[in-house]
Amino acid sequence: GALVYQYPRRTICKSGTSMRMECQAVGFQATSVAWYRQSPQKTFELIALSTVNSAIKYEQNFTQEKFPISHPNLSFSSMTVLNAYLEDRGLYLCGARWQNTLYFGAGTRLSVL
Amino acid sequence: QQQVRQSPQSLTVWEGETAILNCSYEDSTFNYFPWYQQFPGEGPALLISISSVSDKKEDGRFTIFFNKREKKLSLHITDSQPGDSATYFCAARGNVGDNSKLIWGLGTSLVVNP
Repeated sequence: GALVYQYPRRTICKSGTSMRMECQAVGFQATSVAWYRQSPQKTFELIALSTVNSAIKYEQNFTQEKFPISHPNLSFSSMTVLNAYLEDRGLYLCGARWQNTLYFGAGTRLSVL
Repeated sequence: QQQVRQSPQSLTVWEGETAILNCSYEDSTFNYFPWYQQFPGEGPALLISISSVSDKKEDGRFTIFFNKREKKLSLHITDSQPGDSATYFCAARGNVGDNSKLIWGLGTSLVVNP
């Protein structure tokens, strides 16, 4: 089956610091990876869509300068939240696309103090 | 403007009953509709999906009914179990450009009481 692991599951960082989160597809090769943030109200915000060997496409209100993404191969992607502030809190989800379906990891929950 | 709408926002049923979760969409070019199940503290997991060429998709106790003309679909959970208590998200997407992004509803929170 298609499994997606995200690490860490939870993290707390001080306001103004940065943290990196990882996403690993296991058992399949993801044609693309979508990074989402889910708010406490459970709404999903697409941050960026990353396809190996293609430019990463960021959605409005999200930038590479704030959320740099690395996607070196078909099974791994990482994203960093730079200079995290309170409004960056939430559950960061990695969705790996395989055979027309998006498979999600359990997410990285970011808390900012 | 919410392109994918879900109702009700929350639903409570008794064990053994059928839970009906509704979803509607705006963009007539959407052609793929996955439903995701999310438990607290977890990421969303694909439950069942349907493409616009079908009007029904069944997988065990879960069935999607799709009405392309009315741009509506519903997820029926028969013989509901307490373990089905979760938030259910309806999503939609098309094939081309921005239309190929997955658009999410706001979810229906389902509680199944024993």
